Amino acid sequence: QKEVEQDPGPLSVPEGAIVSLNCTYSNSAFQYFMWYRQYSRKGPELLMYTYSSGNKEDGRFTAQVDKSSKYISLFIRDSQPSDSATYLCASHTGGFKTIFGAGTRLFVKA
Amino acid sequence: GAVVSQHPSRVICKSGTSVKIECRSLDFQATTMFWYRQFPKKSLMLMATSNEGSKATYEQGVEKDKFLINHASLTLSTLTVTSAHPEDSSFYICSARGPGQTSYNSPLHFGNGTRLTVT
Repeated sequence: QKEVEQDPGPLSVPEGAIVSLNCTYSNSAFQYFMWYRQYSRKGPELLMYTYSSGNKEDGRFTAQVDKSSKYISLFIRDSQPSDSATYLCASHTGGFKTIFGAGTRLFVKA
Repeated sequence: GAVVSQHPSRVICKSGTSVKIECRSLDFQATTMFWYRQFPKKSLMLMATSNEGSKATYEQGVEKDKFLINHASLTLSTLTVTSAHPEDSSFYICSARGPGQTSYNSPLHFGNGTRLTVT
């Protein structure tokens, strides 16, 4: 079992839709959770960074962590074609290796 | 803040030659940098951890003599692909933890990657 599992998609939605991206993890020691956005032929860009359980909102993006179920989510409201990218979830325990999910490819159709 | 710059963005070289890729932390000091390799439509594969002033730590299966890493300063790490072969063609990305005294808690910040093509 991989430490961080993520459905690779692709996920295709119409413009304006609410997008839900999800990951599960197996290591209960994980405390720090990240979402990265990666455009084609570019490095990953940090979108959200959260510690422990709870929600964090930044503009159209909301990150949610449920440690009891080991579930990580990213919600994108009012999705735009420019949101089309690969989204990677990641986690670490603090000071150790960051573990990445496989990435979900998202297509937002105009 | 936390900008990581990687150069070159794209390089084409002939089989048997060596290629150097630079990774710089522009607005913070990074005692540790990480080198990843990414295949098309795949996730990031950690190759090695670059430590300033000491030897790099390589992941299992990564040839340290082929992928030479030098971290000579707090803002610069280099990856040299020696005697490159077509199978080394890939997207190489460096990263560093963000700044601050609790940098071990900080998320990784990535460069924009280097696309290496070996002909």
